[in-house]
Amino acid sequence: DGGITQSPKYLFRKEGQNVTLSCEQNLNHDAMYWYRQDPGQGLRLIYYSQIVNDFQKGDIAEGYSVSREKKESFPLTVTSAQKNPTAFYLCASSYRQGNTGELFFGEGSRLTVL
Amino acid sequence: AQSVTQLGSHVSVSEGALVLLRCNYSSSVPPYLFWYVQYPNQGLQLLLKYTSAATLVKGINGFEAEFKKSETSFHLTKPSAHMSDAAEYFCAVMYTGGFKTIFGAGTRLFVKA
Repeated sequence: DGGITQSPKYLFRKEGQNVTLSCEQNLNHDAMYWYRQDPGQGLRLIYYSQIVNDFQKGDIAEGYSVSREKKESFPLTVTSAQKNPTAFYLCASSYRQGNTGELFFGEGSRLTVL
Repeated sequence: AQSVTQLGSHVSVSEGALVLLRCNYSSSVPPYLFWYVQYPNQGLQLLLKYTSAATLVKGINGFEAEFKKSETSFHLTKPSAHMSDAAEYFCAVMYTGGFKTIFGAGTRLFVKA
């Protein structure tokens, strides 16, 4: 079945450590996205990528980095510069051509900083 | 600035009662509108979407939403709530030609037996 796979589902990190969240899709979508979810705040866009080797900052990109070397993969690195990294992170993808905006989501990764 | 407002962070209904979740958007051009549902510790799943074909949109699990341009609203309804409807619901908007989807803060639906 086609879909989006995020790993790990749960992750614990000590302060000052970088951590990378994996996102892989086999939907043949061109566009991929990372969102951060905090209680009562909805989803906030961190980064998005419309094509391979290209990505743009979203609304809260500070302290995060991404790469898009393959169409199927869009990993997110949460760096030590991110002041409050504890959150639920969601990866999504969508069609680019004829895009009507529907997002397909992974199951999420919950990051806790100890 | 473009925004989506969901009225009520929590809504509680009895099983079998009408579900009404409110969503208003700010826009100067017709957008694409969506409702997503999220169950605990899971990703979001599309319930329904409006893309200007019809103002009344039917989605999965018996949900529907009506686009009212004059009110800039896209409220979600279901005639009879079921226990399995308990979840968080997000209204979202994307503007034509764009790639950024803007989400509301979410409304958590509780269903009482």
